[in-house]
Amino acid sequence: QKEVEQNSGPLSVPEGAIASLNCTYSDRGSQSFFWYRQYSGKSPELIMFIYSNGDKEDGRFTAQLNKASQYVSLLIRDSQPSDSATYLCAVVRGGSTLGRLYFGRGTQLTVWP
Amino acid sequence: EAGVAQSPRYKIIEKRQSVAFWCNPISGHATLYWYQQILGQGPKLLIQFQNNGVVDDSQLPKDRFSAERLKGVDSTLKIQPAKLEDSAVYLCASSLVGTASTDTQYFGPGTRLTVL
Repeated sequence: QKEVEQNSGPLSVPEGAIASLNCTYSDRGSQSFFWYRQYSGKSPELIMFIYSNGDKEDGRFTAQLNKASQYVSLLIRDSQPSDSATYLCAVVRGGSTLGRLYFGRGTQLTVWP
Repeated sequence: EAGVAQSPRYKIIEKRQSVAFWCNPISGHATLYWYQQILGQGPKLLIQFQNNGVVDDSQLPKDRFSAERLKGVDSTLKIQPAKLEDSAVYLCASSLVGTASTDTQYFGPGTRLTVL
């Protein structure tokens, strides 16, 4: 079982819709969860992170964490064509690997006008 | 504030040759990371430095890969000899502390390596 799993997609939504990106992780001791966006040919850039159960909102983005289900998601409201990218879920485990990020393979999102 | 700098941006070599990548982290960042990202996959950590000491190199193929971070600032990642499966983007990242679970990692532009 992989540390972090994401549906590779592609996920395609119309402009203005809500895009929902999902991620599951295997280690129950995982402490914090990051969402990165990666445009084609570019490096990952941080969107937001979450470490407490529940929702965390930042502009059009909402991260949701459910540690009991080992599930984290990212919602993008009012999706724009400029949101078209690969979204990477990353997890920090506890213990000796504190600070180390485990990445999923990413979900490719396309927002069509 | 300047971001993470990497060079070169692109490199094409033949198998069995050697190659080196350079990284300059964000000023003041104690922790530096090297990741390998193969096409279609997420980044995979190769090595993590805290100042100039190695924290985690469990995923580094030590028979061919080496890395150093002299004086706790710049870092160099070397591959010798390269194999076809080393074709990937090599990303350098840095973070302020590296020991906090919410510490943000900032990525450089990466070096795209093609091994022929």
